[in-house]
Amino acid sequence: DAKTTQPTSMDCAEGRAANLPCNHSTISGNEYVYWYRQIHSQGPQYIIHGLKNNETNEMASLIITEDRKSSTLILPHATLRDTAVYYCIVRVVGNTGKLIFGQGTTLQVKP
Amino acid sequence: DADVTQTPRNRITKTGKRIMLECSQTKGHDRMYWYRQDPGLGLRLIYYSFDVKDINKGEISDGYSVSRQAQAKFSLSLESAIPNQTALYFCATSDFKGRSSYEQYFGPGTRLTVT
Repeated sequence: DAKTTQPTSMDCAEGRAANLPCNHSTISGNEYVYWYRQIHSQGPQYIIHGLKNNETNEMASLIITEDRKSSTLILPHATLRDTAVYYCIVRVVGNTGKLIFGQGTTLQVKP
Repeated sequence: DADVTQTPRNRITKTGKRIMLECSQTKGHDRMYWYRQDPGLGLRLIYYSFDVKDINKGEISDGYSVSRQAQAKFSLSLESAIPNQTALYFCATSDFKGRSSYEQYFGPGTRLTVT
């Protein structure tokens, strides 16, 4: 499975877009990019996933570069409730369903 | 009502005691998982189950056992608790279909302290 690299922490002003980067330079063609977040001590929450096309849902947008070596999760209008640890996970779609969580990015949304 | 529930939410127990953590889900998912999280660290998979008759070890299964009593229920047991099993424990569920298996829905967690 491809390794991911994320910044340890980021700040964002409330109401502004939060752009969280993830590097996955060793990703292979059959690996998807998943994003989760964990608000302090709560259970992780699935946000979005994609393979190579950009994806958008009610929570966020996922932009994957053409070479698929990196991606960006975009929260279009960050609120204080978006303060959390965000995890970028790369997985081969298969039968296991095992998620491997790294250290993630701590996003602090400030008033 | 929450789709994935865990009981108890908090538990303090003594070294050597047997303890069971329970997880129930109403999402109708086939797959269920147990993770633990230590302070400042990511989640690590303990056990996972694809259905009632299919249970698999995860990264850190030593010292733990599980039981899948029904599609909706998955229990984690610590046969003889030790202090380094103090952690936050999460149950999760997912559908079985391909990439959906990674769209997991987590419970609120059980904070376990072993003294």
